[in-house]
Amino acid sequence: KQEVTQIPAALSVPEGENLVLNCSFTDSAIYNLQWFRQDPGKGLTSLLLIQSSQREQTSGRLNASLDKSSGRSTLYIAASQPGDSATYLCAVRRTGANSKLTFGKGITLSVRP
Amino acid sequence: DGGITQSPKYLFRKEGQNVTLSCEQNLNHDAMYWYRQDPGQGLRLIYYSQIVNDFQKGDIAEGYSVSREKKESFPLTVTSAQKNPTAFYLCASSGAGTRAYNEQFFGPGTRLTVL
Repeated sequence: KQEVTQIPAALSVPEGENLVLNCSFTDSAIYNLQWFRQDPGKGLTSLLLIQSSQREQTSGRLNASLDKSSGRSTLYIAASQPGDSATYLCAVRRTGANSKLTFGKGITLSVRP
Repeated sequence: DGGITQSPKYLFRKEGQNVTLSCEQNLNHDAMYWYRQDPGQGLRLIYYSQIVNDFQKGDIAEGYSVSREKKESFPLTVTSAQKNPTAFYLCASSGAGTRAYNEQFFGPGTRLTVL
């Protein structure tokens, strides 16, 4: 059974800092990995999707990497801003028919002005 | 605007009542999903549907029912058999064919509270 872990559960950093959010998964037979952002009381916003054949994806100040063999993904946020404060979740989709997303519990990020 | 809408935003249920949560998408996606989110537990899959008139149970389907009569709509009914229904419910969708295995998009959610 796939398990997705995100540690730590919460993180507080000063504005302007570059930071890395970690995601680990137990089964390397994945189809893709997706990073989401969730603001309090809101739905999830898709940030980046990495296919299993890819090593990384970039969007603006965000860069996500994937290392299937070690079961790890990282989300790098450059020059963090208070508006980046939110919960960041990663989710993996395993290979095979009817495959479903398995979510981590998320990392709640607070960027202090 | 293309997207996923959920209604209502807030819903209150009395003990013993069935309630239905609405989810509509205009993204022309074949696959739709219902998740439940509880504090400290992450998202758990309730039901999903990959095509009209077909759906499968997820990890926590007991006490819930769904229908998929139209491509755009995937309503979720929380029945009185669901013992602890207070939670945040999220609907999602993803594209057709092989793209059904790709990016998922989420609606804004419905917060259900049992009185």
